[in-house]
Amino acid sequence: KNQVEQSPQSLIILEGKNCTLQCNYTVSPFSNLRWYKQDTGRGPVSLTIMTFSENTKSNGRYTATLDADTKQSSLHITASQLSDSASYICVVTLPSGNTPLVFGKGTRLSVIA
Amino acid sequence: NAGVTQTPKFQVLKTGQSMTLQCAQDMNHEYMSWYRQDPGMGLRLIHYSVGAGITDQGEVPNGYNVSRSTTEDFPLRLLSAAPSQTSVYFCASSYYLAPYNEQFFGPGTRLTVL
Repeated sequence: KNQVEQSPQSLIILEGKNCTLQCNYTVSPFSNLRWYKQDTGRGPVSLTIMTFSENTKSNGRYTATLDADTKQSSLHITASQLSDSASYICVVTLPSGNTPLVFGKGTRLSVIA
Repeated sequence: NAGVTQTPKFQVLKTGQSMTLQCAQDMNHEYMSWYRQDPGMGLRLIHYSVGAGITDQGEVPNGYNVSRSTTEDFPLRLLSAAPSQTSVYFCASSYYLAPYNEQFFGPGTRLTVL
């Protein structure tokens, strides 16, 4: 069964610190993997996208990595800010089909001063 | 360019009432979908449409109807609301399922069924 597991479920860090969120998936084959950021009370917004042949992608202070051999991805946030407080959702896309998106349950990050 | 819009933002219903959640997009996207998001469950697909006049069921379709008469609009109907339908509902749109396309989500509707 295609599944995406994220860890930890929730995380609290101090402003200015770095953190890493994990995503393990059993989807195979897959087309791409995206990380979305969801602020409280809003819809998810795409942060990064990686195909199976890419192993790193950056978007400002956000860096996503992908290891297709171990079926793991991580999202690293550098020098965290209060505005990074949000849920981060890992989504894997199957290569075909009308319902190709497999969603993780998300990691809830709280950045405190 | 408003992106994906949803109305209402909040709604309270009594068990058995019906209502329609509105969704519209102005990006000329072929693919539109409805999700519900519950604590600890992640996003689950209710219904989707690959173009005007074409709809299909997702993972959790029971109790919901959809129609797609235009490219822009994709309303979600609750026929007879139940407390189990208390959730946050998100509409999303994208270009038709090319491998790299990005889902654009609306701001959500928070629904409470008493």
